[in-house]
Amino acid sequence: DQQVKQNSPSLSVQEGRISILNCDYTNSMFDYFLWYKKYPAEGPTFLISISSIKDKNEDGRFTVFLNKSAKHLSLHIVPSQPGDSAVYFCAASVRADGLTFGKGTHLIIQP
Amino acid sequence: DTAVSQTPKYLVTQMGNDKSIKCEQNLGHDTMYWYKQDSKKFLKIMFSYNNKELIINETVPNRFSPKSPDKAHLNLHINSLELGDSAVYFCASSLTSGGAAQYFGPGTRLTVL
Repeated sequence: DQQVKQNSPSLSVQEGRISILNCDYTNSMFDYFLWYKKYPAEGPTFLISISSIKDKNEDGRFTVFLNKSAKHLSLHIVPSQPGDSAVYFCAASVRADGLTFGKGTHLIIQP
Repeated sequence: DTAVSQTPKYLVTQMGNDKSIKCEQNLGHDTMYWYKQDSKKFLKIMFSYNNKELIINETVPNRFSPKSPDKAHLNLHINSLELGDSAVYFCASSLTSGGAAQYFGPGTRLTVL
């Protein structure tokens, strides 16, 4: 029972263009959403988050959009850089519970 | 100057043994967590703990137990290790127990032979 789904296992984007990573969720009780970036043999690194009371949060090159009616969120990275190549995890939580993660999307930035 | 650290990074052991993984955070956070990343790369919550409450994921076998000597440490003890326990285990911490980003350690790769 996957409550958080990332349906694209991988995504290839040219350097300098926009990367858009998508995430869908099924649990309407989720009230906090996060994106993490992970390199091999390292722990996930927190990127950006958004509360369910907002629909957009921006931090430098990273913007997260939340569409509650569609139970969908997305991460935009612009412009994409070679160092952005990694696995990106979408995560969600209900109040004090631990995070529920998606399966991840492997982003590849091509020169 | 690592924020969340775990030891050991790699752990290879025999079935039936008892082992521990240590976790320390120097962020002054109130809540700590343990996650398991299985062979399919899913990251799943095992425990969340602050000084008031331990929340256990009901799917976690009782062979797994968290022990917190103080607010900065949450160790994971595993009794009678089984082959299916082989995975990468991540410790994490957050400032509060809800609506806060969690910061992860580098992971401990456990291999049970």
